[in-house]
Amino acid sequence: GQQLNQSPQSMFIQEGEDVSMNCTSSSIFNTWLWYKQDPGEGPVLLIALYKAGELTSNGRLTAQFGITRKDSFLNISASIPSDVGIYFCAGRRIQGAQKLVFGQGTRLTINP
Amino acid sequence: GAVVSQHPSWVICKSGTSVKIECRSLDFQATTMFWYRQFPKKSLMLMATSNEGSKATYEQGVEKDKFLINHASLTLSTLTVTSAHPEDSSFYICSASPATGQGMAGELFFGEGSRLTVL
Repeated sequence: GQQLNQSPQSMFIQEGEDVSMNCTSSSIFNTWLWYKQDPGEGPVLLIALYKAGELTSNGRLTAQFGITRKDSFLNISASIPSDVGIYFCAGRRIQGAQKLVFGQGTRLTINP
Repeated sequence: GAVVSQHPSWVICKSGTSVKIECRSLDFQATTMFWYRQFPKKSLMLMATSNEGSKATYEQGVEKDKFLINHASLTLSTLTVTSAHPEDSSFYICSASPATGQGMAGELFFGEGSRLTVL
């Protein structure tokens, strides 16, 4: 099925650095969700966005629902070793629909 | 957040046997659950949508006779991989969407995943 365009695919950073990743689509989405997946585990919901322009924070994480409804970004400030993992964006095209479209994932590696 | 539990977390079976994976929503009711397959270093691929009390809806290219889905209650969906072969080896993940009226509308919660290895 169609996937969202998520970038970058991988990041190698130093501990303490800020991280930014984004997802784009040619279609309009009504919901954006950001998940983190650790090896051998299922994805864990980090932030959910429901309105265009919405900016939401969860601790050191901040995500925004793009005004055009075709993109979203996730920022992580002051990265720490436990931030290592794969981050996925996911979106819903139709209000109230439950099926999600996923991005390809961003693999984050942190050097201590 | 809400809790979704999968069992078993890993299973090894012989080729030709069938394997059942359970997905339970522990603290909420879910009228809809989803089953995904994930290959190494890849994103989640939706296999089917499981609806309580009705037949599952399969994505294009997914064999419904191969991957049997049953959603018998508002808290349990099962995926049975029938006559498993080595190419069915993968990481299978379920997710559940809380039914309306439970204060978590719009969110989707994932299980821990089940790793299947077919010898």
